[in-house]
Amino acid sequence: ILNVEQSPQSLHVQEGDSTNFTCSFPSSNFYALHWYRWETAKSPEALFVMTLNGDEKKKGRISATLNTKEGYSYLYIKGSQPEDSATYLCAFWATDSWGKLQFGAGTQVVVTP
Amino acid sequence: GAGVSQSPSNKVTEKGKDVELRCDPISGHTALYWYRQSLGQGLEFLIYFQGNSAPDKSGLPSDRFSAERTGGSVSTLTIQRTQQEDSAVYLCASSELVGYTGELFFGEGSRLTVL
Repeated sequence: ILNVEQSPQSLHVQEGDSTNFTCSFPSSNFYALHWYRWETAKSPEALFVMTLNGDEKKKGRISATLNTKEGYSYLYIKGSQPEDSATYLCAFWATDSWGKLQFGAGTQVVVTP
Repeated sequence: GAGVSQSPSNKVTEKGKDVELRCDPISGHTALYWYRQSLGQGLEFLIYFQGNSAPDKSGLPSDRFSAERTGGSVSTLTIQRTQQEDSAVYLCASSELVGYTGELFFGEGSRLTVL
């Protein structure tokens, strides 16, 4: 069983502040790392798919970095807005678990005005 | 359709009854995945399909669970003799290919409540 861990479990952010949180995963047999945003009453939506060590991806105010050698990824939200409130999920794809994208438990972000 | 469609969106059933959950993936997507989220838990992988084939069924929680996919399109997840611990949101997702390093597209889920 693969261990994909996310921390913190939840965090509260003031509007305008920046924040970041972590996804850790096994450093062996790496194939890909996904980030998804899951808003209440909606379906999870992909933010990033990362495949290379050192990858940095950006979408608007949200960015992510990847370190496959040490097995972690950071997601950053710059200048948080209330619409950023959601659960952020990372998911790990190992080369020896074909087809099984394993999700972490998520980081719930609440942005207060 | 434009996105992944799941039905029913909500299902309440009595313990011991059978239920069927349906997933209609994005047209042309050969890979299809089933996950579930129980209360307070993360997304639990159940099964994936490449075309109509399910190479690995080890994620299914028990032999009461089965899934099939026909015509490389619609998939059905069947739970026989439902138990209260089966209560969860069942999510379906599709992607162009298994192994394609693109994103998964999720449906809105089927919420199952077993009384």
